Amino acid sequence: AQSVTQPDIHITVSEGASLELRCNYSYGATPYLFWYVQSPGQGLQLLLKYFSGDTLVQGIKGFEAEFKRSQSSFNLRKPSVHWSDAAEYFCAVGAFDTGRRALTFGSGTRLQVQP
Amino acid sequence: GAGVSQSPSNKVTEKGKDVELRCDPISGHTALYWYRQSLGQGLEFLIYFQGNSAPDKSGLPSDRFSAERTGGSVSTLTIQRTQQEDSAVYLCASRFGPSGANVLTFGAGSRLTVL
Repeated sequence: AQSVTQPDIHITVSEGASLELRCNYSYGATPYLFWYVQSPGQGLQLLLKYFSGDTLVQGIKGFEAEFKRSQSSFNLRKPSVHWSDAAEYFCAVGAFDTGRRALTFGSGTRLQVQP
Repeated sequence: GAGVSQSPSNKVTEKGKDVELRCDPISGHTALYWYRQSLGQGLEFLIYFQGNSAPDKSGLPSDRFSAERTGGSVSTLTIQRTQQEDSAVYLCASRFGPSGANVLTFGAGSRLTVL
């Protein structure tokens, strides 16, 4: 079964600084990879997804993520963080399995943005 | 509907009372998940429905928790004899089909507070 690790529970960056949120996965085949964002009091919203092809994927709100097979990673990046990016970010891996195993979430990284 | 709708958005109840939380998924989405998110925590899988298949209930924390999905559409999560540790946000999500490749769409959640 697949698993997802987000090693950073909490990250604080200054507004305008660059951001990288780490995500490592474990899966025996090429996974489907997702990043979701959860703003305070809201449900989760899809930021971007990787299925195949170009390993650098662009998402909404200026985010991008790079799939690195050799490192089993799918890190999320943004060149310049805005105060409105403060939220919780979840990495997830989707699989060919059916049932609940079709999608596994990491434990999340809470981003705080300092003025 | 256009999105996943959950009700109520907020529920305050007394310990020992029963509560029902409702999820109305996107029309045509056959897969439906319930997750629980306790304060500052990640997503805890509760139950998964896919079409007419038997639901995967392996994440339900106790026999006080149950869920049903009528007509392959609306789902209700029921918590009997609520306890304070049941206080959390309960998130519902739906997806078109069983494949983990398909994007999961989340509702805004139902915040449950047990006094």
